[in-house]
Amino acid sequence: ILNVEQSPQSLHVQEGDSTNFTCSFPSSNFYALHWYRWETAKSPEALFVMTLNGDEKKKGRISATLNTKEGYSYLYIKGSQPEDSATYLCASFSGGYNKLIFGAGTRLAVHP
Amino acid sequence: SQTIHQWPATLVQPVGSPLSLECTVEGTSNPNLYWYRQAAGRGLQLLFYSVGIGQISSEVPQNLSASRPQDRQFILSSKKLLLSDSGFYLCAWSVLTVSGNTIYFGEGSWLTVV
Repeated sequence: ILNVEQSPQSLHVQEGDSTNFTCSFPSSNFYALHWYRWETAKSPEALFVMTLNGDEKKKGRISATLNTKEGYSYLYIKGSQPEDSATYLCASFSGGYNKLIFGAGTRLAVHP
Repeated sequence: SQTIHQWPATLVQPVGSPLSLECTVEGTSNPNLYWYRQAAGRGLQLLFYSVGIGQISSEVPQNLSASRPQDRQFILSSKKLLLSDSGFYLCAWSVLTVSGNTIYFGEGSWLTVV
């Protein structure tokens, strides 16, 4: 995998549903994996920075896991709320720690 | 504490006119600096990054250029704007710490080329 890839591209869920997204990244020369919550035309909000294989981080109803050997990370949202609606971006450093490459994002819409 | 300032926040420019977006960072030294762009319906695309004064790496061939005249100043420019340059531009900075390399973003600049 040469780029950071995210799936699905978009997701529509009902309030209260739990959901998850996938981020795939180059596993060679891995340095760190970032997750951001982003509303269009605003600064991305940092959710997690993950560096260790097997890492699992949690922030309220949102959690993330990391597998650096196979090059993927999952973001989970438990009991989705309408205010969770946003684009969730993951990013990985490419070729060391200087160049942070973002995936295209997963656009989440939570319907009341 | 570290802060990042980016301006102007919004800009409407005619095709063929020049562009200058400026970004400054306070409260840190020798940061990595980045310019990203969100084009319509797409994610964040890395345009340029810089690891030091005068050191600019370009990620995509385009109508834009970047300069870093001072340690904490990063400027995005164009001599002649194209319609396709419209989008939301984000400046960001990072420093390497023991806990990783956290990225901090500016507030963004909306550019509309007409």
